[in-house]
Amino acid sequence: EPEVTQTPSHQVTQMGQEVILRCVPISNHLYFYWYRQILGQKVEFLVSFYNNEISEKSEIFDDQFSVERPDGSNFTLKIRSTKLEDSAMYFCASTRLAGEQFFGPGTRLTVL
Amino acid sequence: GENVEQHPSTLSVQEGDSAVIKCTYSDSASNYFPWYKQELGKRPQLIIDIRSNVGEKKDQRIAVTLNKTAKHFSLHITETQPEDSAVYFCAASSRAGGTSYGKLTFGQGTILTVHP
Repeated sequence: EPEVTQTPSHQVTQMGQEVILRCVPISNHLYFYWYRQILGQKVEFLVSFYNNEISEKSEIFDDQFSVERPDGSNFTLKIRSTKLEDSAMYFCASTRLAGEQFFGPGTRLTVL
Repeated sequence: GENVEQHPSTLSVQEGDSAVIKCTYSDSASNYFPWYKQELGKRPQLIIDIRSNVGEKKDQRIAVTLNKTAKHFSLHITETQPEDSAVYFCAASSRAGGTSYGKLTFGQGTILTVHP
């Protein structure tokens, strides 16, 4: 059964550094998402991406964040200058049209 | 925007008992309501979902009910087992397609503990 994959599983970075989190959505899916989950809290929507552009973003997704689908398979989230409060688990998800979103295993980002 | 409230935040039951988790939502345009189970350090996994044209759906020991008028939906787990212990999240969405891009708004989560 196809799965969403994410790399790396854990990323440690210094405050102010740039990080890129990578995702490979399921191949025939059309809608792609990034969510984050701060430890012990709920999952929060960051951004959705459809037809090679951002379709919706939350107030969390400020100018420090960007997303890209550089080729036909990868979907990336870039944080330009990380802050301590960016420490969280970041989940990528994808869906075709049926509603169910399939989540990747997550990348744990630790900002020191 | 959509707001989803979930209760209770923790739920402790004995093995074999039933567990009920309730959620309310605010946006009447929401039409898709999934429930996710998340084990420690793992990804959220869909366990059941319901669409707004259906009032109830059942899958073995798990059932979900939806009351569109009252804007609430509930997860029912019967004959609970220790392996049901996890965090459960409800969510609300408009299904992707047309003018909706399908973002999920999650509730705060319920920590379910099933004691043997």
